[in-house]
Amino acid sequence: QVQLQQSGPGLVKPSQTLSLTCVISGDSVSSNSAAWNWIRQSPSRGLEWLGRTYYRSKWYNGYAVSVKSRITINPDTSKNQFSLQLNSVTPEDTAVYYCARGWDGYIANWGQGTLVTVSS
Amino acid sequence: QSVLTQPPSASGTPGQRVTMSCSGSSSNIGGDYVHWYQQLPGTAPKLLIYKNNQRPSGVPDRFSGSKSGTSASLAISGLRSEDEADYYCASWDGSLSGWVFGGGTKLTVL
Repeated sequence: QVQLQQSGPGLVKPSQTLSLTCVISGDSVSSNSAAWNWIRQSPSRGLEWLGRTYYRSKWYNGYAVSVKSRITINPDTSKNQFSLQLNSVTPEDTAVYYCARGWDGYIANWGQGTLVTVSS
Repeated sequence: QSVLTQPPSASGTPGQRVTMSCSGSSSNIGGDYVHWYQQLPGTAPKLLIYKNNQRPSGVPDRFSGSKSGTSASLAISGLRSEDEADYYCASWDGSLSGWVFGGGTKLTVL
């Protein structure tokens, strides 16, 4: 059974970088069948897909247009995890952030969620 | 403004059958599968229906999904109090090259 465990700070100052990590158990970040996503949820924006990383003989990334200039998602094969970095945050980036596993064409598993507040 | 359109609320009494809709376009629902998620208060979304009408193991057969053209529906029969939750539809959008979601339907069991 796949489980995703998120970690990271719950408070980030405006203009700084939001960083979260998602540790995978029950699958491999290097799987040729899975994709590793970050999704956020806020009252104003609802569920919003941010991006993903996946391995198909080489690593690929895909990012939402809304955050493309500020986001990086990286795999860490040594720790079987992946991370999210979102630069230059503003209060509009306040949300619950989820890591999620895509498999066989759908998002099958979600992390527990991390509330990140952007405030000074 | 979510890419997929869902009614904000739905309600029913125990034992009743309720349906909720999800509307999209040719670049998402019309060209790919629809998936449904249930979100209980304070928890992460949970996969309820995948690939239009498939139930993961452990999901009761009271839950069913369908798709036609650029729209989809989720039906819950034999409504129970524990079904009170938010329900979201999702689909891959080929034009955006990303996942898109509905704004969610809040189900109240009266």
